[in-house]
Amino acid sequence: ETGVTQSPTHLIKTRGQQVTLRCSSQSGHNTVSWYQQALGQGPQFIFQYYREEENGRGNFPPRFSGLQFPNYSSELNVNALELDDSALYLCASSDRTHYQETQYFGPGTRLLVL
Amino acid sequence: SQQGEEDPQALSIQEGENATMNCSYKTSINNLQWYRQNSGRGLVHLILIRSNEREKHSGRLRVTLDTSKKSSSLLITASRAADTASYFCATDASGGGSNYKLTFGKGTLLTVNP
Repeated sequence: ETGVTQSPTHLIKTRGQQVTLRCSSQSGHNTVSWYQQALGQGPQFIFQYYREEENGRGNFPPRFSGLQFPNYSSELNVNALELDDSALYLCASSDRTHYQETQYFGPGTRLLVL
Repeated sequence: SQQGEEDPQALSIQEGENATMNCSYKTSINNLQWYRQNSGRGLVHLILIRSNEREKHSGRLRVTLDTSKKSSSLLITASRAADTASYFCATDASGGGSNYKLTFGKGTLLTVNP
């Protein structure tokens, strides 16, 4: 059983650019959630995908968007990057079909916006 | 917005001592989970306690939940230097378990000195 993986591990972008972060869910998991963690803060929920559809969204603007693919992997896209988007981006997978409440997190992608 | 608030923000103890961290939250929950994070990397799930449970144990971990006070505590017994990390509580308040959105606190930074 493989764990949650994310790529890339680190990324540096400039304001106004666009970025795509990737996540592969744990084997057997059909739900992926994305979180943003600013320095010194707890993670904040961005959105969740289940069966390729968005299934809940936190307080983030539309320039944060996502996709989930048939193999349950997922992408987080952020357009028009702002300095405040600098953070650790975490994805977490879970098995919603079997009402598994525990979310398993990947190692994260650290994004720096200059 | 952050629902959970951990207390204290930082805790420094000697190896072998017990560490207690507290978490308070604001709304009714389905479950409360504790996670550990080492050096700003991915979160590791420690333990989940459901709203109808009052106490749960896992190895050296003991978690209590008081829904009337909207609070939880995490006790780590016989601490080790390897327990040095940030600890977060996360609440799941999703109605009927619809999307398992987790709301995190800001965390407690635990330092265990050898």
